[in-house]
Amino acid sequence: RKEVEQDPGPFNVPEGATVAFNCTYSNSASQSFFWYRQDCRKEPKLLMSVYSSGNEDGRFTAQLNRASQYISLLIRDSKLSDSATYLCVVNPMNTGFQKLVFGTGTRLLVSP
Amino acid sequence: ETGVTQSPTHLIKTRGQQVTLRCSSQSGHNTVSWYQQALGQGPQFIFQYYREEENGRGNFPPRFSGLQFPNYSSELNVNALELDDSALYLCASSDGTFENYEQYFGPGTRLTVT
Repeated sequence: RKEVEQDPGPFNVPEGATVAFNCTYSNSASQSFFWYRQDCRKEPKLLMSVYSSGNEDGRFTAQLNRASQYISLLIRDSKLSDSATYLCVVNPMNTGFQKLVFGTGTRLLVSP
Repeated sequence: ETGVTQSPTHLIKTRGQQVTLRCSSQSGHNTVSWYQQALGQGPQFIFQYYREEENGRGNFPPRFSGLQFPNYSSELNVNALELDDSALYLCASSDGTFENYEQYFGPGTRLTVT
């Protein structure tokens, strides 16, 4: 089983739609969770950190469910500029150092 | 912009050659991590340097090695290049505290091995 699993998509949605991505992780001791955004052939950029029960930043809401070991990202009122790959990222916390484990990413395509 | 820089941006090498990639961390960050991202995959952790010492390594062979300098910049060296080493190599800097695991990535070096 992969440490972090995501649906690769693509998710095709119209502008203004609400879209949600889920991600599951295998290490129950994990404490730190993130969503990164990656545009084609560019570096990943930190979108949100997800701590405790989740958090919200404008149109973006991240939720954490420790019991089921999954993280979600909700995007409301999708914009064309939201088209990108969204990477679910976990720090396993059992390594003694800051290692990030990435999912393969979920591709989002927002159309006019 | 994250303030993390990498050089070169692109590189083409032949199988069997050696390559050195460079990274400058964000001001105030003492930890640099290196990742390899193959096409269509998420980044894979190679190793991490904290205050000039390697303090963690992923599942990469010893021909992947690195250094960190007193100014916290870092190098990734790959010997005996193989075709499968073709990938985007990313470095990420962080502040090394256990209260904050956020890492900020540089633009990457795209390595092609022929």
